[in-house]
Amino acid sequence: DGGITQSPKYLFRKEGQNVTLSCEQNLNHDAMYWYRQDPGQGLRLIYYSQIVNDFQKGDIAEGYSVSREKKESFPLTVTSAQKNPTAFYLCASTPDRSGDRGRYTFGSGTRLTVV
Amino acid sequence: GESVGLHLPTLSVQEGDNSIINCAYSNSASDYFIWYKQESGKGPQFIIDIRSNMDKRQGQRVTVLLNKTVKHLSLQIAATQPGDSAVYFCAEIFSGNTGKLIFGQGTTLQVKP
Repeated sequence: DGGITQSPKYLFRKEGQNVTLSCEQNLNHDAMYWYRQDPGQGLRLIYYSQIVNDFQKGDIAEGYSVSREKKESFPLTVTSAQKNPTAFYLCASTPDRSGDRGRYTFGSGTRLTVV
Repeated sequence: GESVGLHLPTLSVQEGDNSIINCAYSNSASDYFIWYKQESGKGPQFIIDIRSNMDKRQGQRVTVLLNKTVKHLSLQIAATQPGDSAVYFCAEIFSGNTGKLIFGQGTTLQVKP
């Protein structure tokens, strides 16, 4: 079955560490997105990519970095510069065709906790 | 920046009743609206969408209504079931946008047996 896979499901980070969250999709979707969700809040866009080797900052990109070396993969690195990284991170993809561009497929999320 | 908001943070309904979840948006340039359902600990799931040239769209047990005059969006769920308990988000895309969704804060739907 096609889908989008995030790993790990739970991740613990020590102060000052960088951690990388994995996101893989086999839907042949062009665009991929990373969102952050805090308790009781909506989703805020961190980074997005519409094509391989290209990506753009979202609304809260500071302290995060991404790469898009393959169409299927869009890993997110949470750097030590991100002062409040504890959150639920969601990866999404979409075909990016104008008719379907809002129909995101989301992964099941990674819950990151700073210890 | 522009944002999408929701009128109520929590909605409690009796099983079998109809549910109405409301959403207000502020950008008149938005041309595409989507509703998502998020169950606890999971990623959001697409429910239904509507474009600005429509005022109503129906799916299976769900109807989305769009009132562009007052910038209001609603999701109606018929015969609400316990499995409908979740957080519901509305989202919008601005005309000419690259496809980035702007999400509202969400409404928690609680279905009482």
